[in-house]
Amino acid sequence: GIQVEQSPPDLILQEGANSTLRCNFSDSVNNLQWFHQNPWGQLINLFYIPSGTKQNGRLSATTVATERYSLLYISSSQTTDSGVYFCAVHAGNNRKLIWGLGTSLAVNP
Amino acid sequence: EAQVTQNPRYLITVTGKKLTVTCSQNMNHEYMSWYRQDPGLGLRQIYYSMNVEVTDKGDVPEGYKVSRKEKRNFPLILESPSPNQTSLYFCASSPGWGGGQPQHFGDGTRLSIL
Repeated sequence: GIQVEQSPPDLILQEGANSTLRCNFSDSVNNLQWFHQNPWGQLINLFYIPSGTKQNGRLSATTVATERYSLLYISSSQTTDSGVYFCAVHAGNNRKLIWGLGTSLAVNP
Repeated sequence: EAQVTQNPRYLITVTGKKLTVTCSQNMNHEYMSWYRQDPGLGLRQIYYSMNVEVTDKGDVPEGYKVSRKEKRNFPLILESPSPNQTSLYFCASSPGWGGGQPQHFGDGTRLSIL
């Protein structure tokens, strides 16, 4: 089945720094979503982005479907950005999202 | 406000005592699903439902039951919980299934089975 790999697994930033998180997938996908899991465990839907580029405030995402990767860009990071960022895809006839293991981000003041 | 609501948010219980985690969505979504999240294993699908009275197993269905009697509700039932079902559980919904259908998640339920 399709594999989803995220990098880096862990990231520590100083407040104000920029970062890029990567999601690679091993096959064609129909959907791709980025989520932020906050320290309380809630999953926040950041982007639905099977292809192209989207921006929402300090966050933006780009998916290059033909090359099988997606990037999540965080600019001017804040301590509230801390948590785990997940990429999840839907491929083929599977009736589920297939998840990467996440990037754990800590933003220090 | 469009949302997926799970209850309870936290539960500590004992082995063998039946429990139900409720999930309700107010968006008239056809598709609903349950996932569990465990350290190092990520999120894995337990069961899903394509519509009322249509349910199917995901990757880790053992020890769980579900029902879909109404479109808005999709409860997760643990008939005889065991410690290996201690986990963080998420309910999700989407308008349908296929291209162009982002999933919406509840806030999660932390279950501890002693």
